[in-house]
Amino acid sequence: EPEVTQTPSHQVTQMGQEVILRCVPISNHLYFYWYRQILGQKVEFLVSFYNNEISEKSEIFDDQFSVERPDGSNFTLKIRSTKLEDSAMYFCASSTTGTEQYFGPGTRLTVT
Amino acid sequence: AQKVTQAQTEISVVEKEDVTLDCVYETRDTTYYLFWYKQPPSGELVFLIRRNSFDEQNEISGRYSWNFQKSTSSFNFTITASQVVDSAVYFCALSEPFNYGGATNKLIFGTGTLLAVQP
Repeated sequence: EPEVTQTPSHQVTQMGQEVILRCVPISNHLYFYWYRQILGQKVEFLVSFYNNEISEKSEIFDDQFSVERPDGSNFTLKIRSTKLEDSAMYFCASSTTGTEQYFGPGTRLTVT
Repeated sequence: AQKVTQAQTEISVVEKEDVTLDCVYETRDTTYYLFWYKQPPSGELVFLIRRNSFDEQNEISGRYSWNFQKSTSSFNFTITASQVVDSAVYFCALSEPFNYGGATNKLIFGTGTLLAVQP
């Protein structure tokens, strides 16, 4: 069964460094999402992406964040200059129609 | 504005007990979807069910059942004869309707209910 994959599973970085989190969505899916979950808290929407552009972003998704679909298979989330409060689990999701989203296993980002 | 409330932060039961997890939602849309996800200690999000706003039929899948009531804006989840493997955080979520002008369908999650099933 096709699934969403994410790499790395755990990333440790120093404050101020740039990180790129990678996702490979399910191959025939057209809608892509990033969510984050700070430890012990709820899952929060960051951004949705469709037709090669951002369709919606949350207040969390400020200028430090960007997304890209560089090669038609990967979907990346870049954090330009990480802060301590960016430490969280980041989930990628994809969907054919947008109504049912399939989540990847997540990348745990630790900023020290 | 859309909102999902899971008032139960933690529930502890003994194996074989039945348990109901509550979910109350707010939306001004007439078309929407409701979801339940399970997050075991390993951290991944496991899809359990999707319901659209026009289908109020209750659903049963094995030991799991869901009660959707539009009149009270609730979408409750019951586990019958709970098992230790059911121990996890359970999230209820709401999805905005499909927007043909630009896809959104972001999921709005509740704060989750931690279910601990003791042997």
